[in-house]
Amino acid sequence: DQQVKQNSPSLSVQEGRISILNCDYTNSMFDYFLWYKKYPAEGPTFLISISSIKDKNEDGRFTVFLNKSAKHLSLHIVPSQPGDSAVYFCAASATGSARQLTFGSGTQLTVLP
Amino acid sequence: DGGITQSPKYLFRKEGQNVTLSCEQNLNHDAMYWYRQDPGQGLRLIYYSQIVNDFQKGDIAEGYSVSREKKESFPLTVTSAQKNPTAFYLCASMGGRGQDTGELFFGEGSRLTVL
Repeated sequence: DQQVKQNSPSLSVQEGRISILNCDYTNSMFDYFLWYKKYPAEGPTFLISISSIKDKNEDGRFTVFLNKSAKHLSLHIVPSQPGDSAVYFCAASATGSARQLTFGSGTQLTVLP
Repeated sequence: DGGITQSPKYLFRKEGQNVTLSCEQNLNHDAMYWYRQDPGQGLRLIYYSQIVNDFQKGDIAEGYSVSREKKESFPLTVTSAQKNPTAFYLCASMGGRGQDTGELFFGEGSRLTVL
């Protein structure tokens, strides 16, 4: 049972446009959500996060939106740059679970020049 | 610079051989983790350790073993019992604010290929 789902395995966007990556979750106990970015043959790096008490968090070109009622979050990248081409993982954690992260399957973003 | 070092980066193994992947961190983090990445399957937890001399199985522990004799080190052994060992292995640690959020710091990964 996948508790964190990224239903789009891939996404292609033109440079300068907005990239929107989506993530759905089923466990209502999740209270912290993170996005990681991963290049091939490298470890994931933390990108941005959001607590369940918020519905939006911004960091430069990256914004994460959380819709708790829909159990849905999204990562917006604007403007998209070729260097943003990578796999993006959504992850979630819950209080009392030793804060273990549950990861989605990832979305390959390709930003076309 | 603080970080997590995994070695080797690439490793080839014949079927039936055990192999040990090294993971060392100098972040002074208490918790360490091993994940496996396969195409289209995200990251799956193999083993984790929250304190020295203690570790727990993750979702896919069969065919793997670990030890945690030192805070800085969390080696993973891929045994011959692991049916599909070819994968990209990631070591991670958690400390500081990560204990409130779940944020992990990852190493660069080790690519294991079984011939």
